[in-house]
Amino acid sequence: ETGVTQTPRHLVMGMTNKKSLKCEQHLGHNAMYWYKQSAKKPLELMFVYNFKEQTENNSVPSRFSPECPNSSHLFLHLHTLQPEDSALYLCASSQGLAVSSYEQYFGPGTRLTVT
Amino acid sequence: AQSVTQLDSQVPVFEEAPVELRCNYSSSVSVYLFWYVQYPNQGLQLLLKYLSGSTLVKGINGFEAEFNKSQTSFHLRKPSVHISDTAEYFCAVRGGGNKLTFGTGTQLKVEL
Repeated sequence: ETGVTQTPRHLVMGMTNKKSLKCEQHLGHNAMYWYKQSAKKPLELMFVYNFKEQTENNSVPSRFSPECPNSSHLFLHLHTLQPEDSALYLCASSQGLAVSSYEQYFGPGTRLTVT
Repeated sequence: AQSVTQLDSQVPVFEEAPVELRCNYSSSVSVYLFWYVQYPNQGLQLLLKYLSGSTLVKGINGFEAEFNKSQTSFHLRKPSVHISDTAEYFCAVRGGGNKLTFGTGTQLKVEL
């Protein structure tokens, strides 16, 4: 595997379910990100991790819970979601947070539908 | 805080014609600017970036962009487009902090 991979690619869940999204990067990067992409809206940054430590939480509701066990893996745990949470969830990584190392590499995303 | 405006939600163009995708930004601090492309069912891919230096930046796939500080713009151009350039294009700005702020995207549709 190369680059940034995300699983599953598609997920349908009910509002009472608990599920997790997984992201893995094979680039040796130190920073990882979760974004939400909704139709006709700008990409919304959700969380940033650098060396496994969370450096940014962009006022995300607590029904989204990130986990970064190491610099290569990032999870997004989902529980009691709302229909408006249906979107494409993108994971990205970068070498670091400094501007010179900030180029972000994106995974293909998980298309989430909440019913 | 910074913001990005991509005024054109869709841009249709014939193959081999030139194209310009517009991006304007606002920021109270010095900025770093990026263009990303997203093909169907894929994540975003970096086309080019402006960090400092020459205001004309060349990227992959024949794209280039010009940073204009006085007009707070970073428009993306290609002199001759191909069918394979059909995709959504996102302009993004990083000001202070570690946050990348994206525009709403421009759908480029190249027609024969």
